[in-house]
Amino acid sequence: EVQLVESGGGLVQPGRSLRLSCAASGFTFDDYAMHWVRQAPGKGLEWVSGISWNSGSIGYADSVKGRFTISRDNAKNSLYLQMNSLRAEDTALYYCAKDFHWDYEHGYFDLWGRGTLVTVSS
Amino acid sequence: DIQMTQSPSSLSASVGDRVTITCRASQGISNYLAWYQQKPGKVPKLLIYAASTLQSGVPSRFSGSGSGTDFTLTISSLQPEDVATYYCQKYNSAPQDTFGGGTKVEIK
Repeated sequence: EVQLVESGGGLVQPGRSLRLSCAASGFTFDDYAMHWVRQAPGKGLEWVSGISWNSGSIGYADSVKGRFTISRDNAKNSLYLQMNSLRAEDTALYYCAKDFHWDYEHGYFDLWGRGTLVTVSS
Repeated sequence: DIQMTQSPSSLSASVGDRVTITCRASQGISNYLAWYQQKPGKVPKLLIYAASTLQSGVPSRFSGSGSGTDFTLTISSLQPEDVATYYCQKYNSAPQDTFGGGTKVEIK
């Protein structure tokens, strides 16, 4: 079955760190760019970060630049998001999304996971 | 950065009505536009890419049009299962601010 399954969310205090994971199955993971997209409670979709098929190109939203790090392990069919210096405004449902393309800068998202909830609160 | 503006932010229509949602880019993006449907409590789903190409499995009552800066998503005959929030997304360049703000569609 073609799917993405996120994990690693939870309740964390402001300033602390969290690492999200996304396990991919049912498609050739290393053919495609991958992304993290988040959705704060009751709000719209916000792109967070993207990574090309071979990790050669990476991008971040201004809101997370310098705090979050995206990575992937093609041997393990896995995508990661290391989130440091977390803030209350990072509270959201974090989706892992597959790009239709190998390059993260010019693609749309044709497969989404169910998301993992990150809550930043003291 | 290119900004994506959707209108209206919400609408209410009757079953069977024709519904049109607009997405405007602050600069031309050719046809690098996708539309997503997010039903309440569910994961976003790709409906349309390249402005007018229907993703496999999407009902034919959905259609997209436009190029450059102005785009539309049309539901030809609104059904109860179409209650959702719809988002446009530009993908001609890096995904900063890639999504529109969303349009919530309800049944009258």
